[in-house]
Amino acid sequence: GENVEQHPSTLSVQEGDSAVIKCTYSDSASNYFPWYKQELGKRPQLIIDIRSNVGEKKDQRIAVTLNKTAKHFSLHITETQPEDSAVYFCAASIAGGNNRLAFGKGNQVVVIP
Amino acid sequence: NAGVTQTPKFQVLKTGQSMTLQCAQDMNHEYMSWYRQDPGMGLRLIHYSVGAGITDQGEVPNGYNVSRSTTEDFPLRLLSAAPSQTSVYFCASGADPWRHGYTFGSGTRLTVV
Repeated sequence: GENVEQHPSTLSVQEGDSAVIKCTYSDSASNYFPWYKQELGKRPQLIIDIRSNVGEKKDQRIAVTLNKTAKHFSLHITETQPEDSAVYFCAASIAGGNNRLAFGKGNQVVVIP
Repeated sequence: NAGVTQTPKFQVLKTGQSMTLQCAQDMNHEYMSWYRQDPGMGLRLIHYSVGAGITDQGEVPNGYNVSRSTTEDFPLRLLSAAPSQTSVYFCASGADPWRHGYTFGSGTRLTVV
């Protein structure tokens, strides 16, 4: 089955700096890669996603890049702000899997004011 | 439009008790899933459904049952609660999860003593 790994597990950045979180996946047939943000005590919320026919997607301060050959995708947050502090989960579609998603274990991002 | 509604928000059970976690969505989504979230383990799929009357097991189904008699509701039943089932449970739904991801409910924090 699909295996999704996230690195690093915890990332601390100074406010205003950029943060990058990388995910690797195992199934080359995966074609959909969403990122979720979970603030403390809240539900995971979709913040950006990318499909395998696209190399990069941006939405204001966040962007996602995909390298299909290397089977990894990354979340980029620019000009980080304290409200960016959260756990970020990446996920990948499970090929042949009835619209299921496999999630990584999550990255804790701490933005230091 | 309430989205995905989970009840209860908090629950304490004694070992061996049974209970049902409720999940309802008003978005007419075909796809619904139950996840459990444990520290350092990310989101693990318990059971999922691709439509009314159709359910299947995820990666950690033991000790749980589900049914999907209507499009709106997807209850999760704990048959005989064990301390290992102490977790935060999230229900999620999606119209086309491989294009637009899943929408999560606010979660149920369950403690089994």
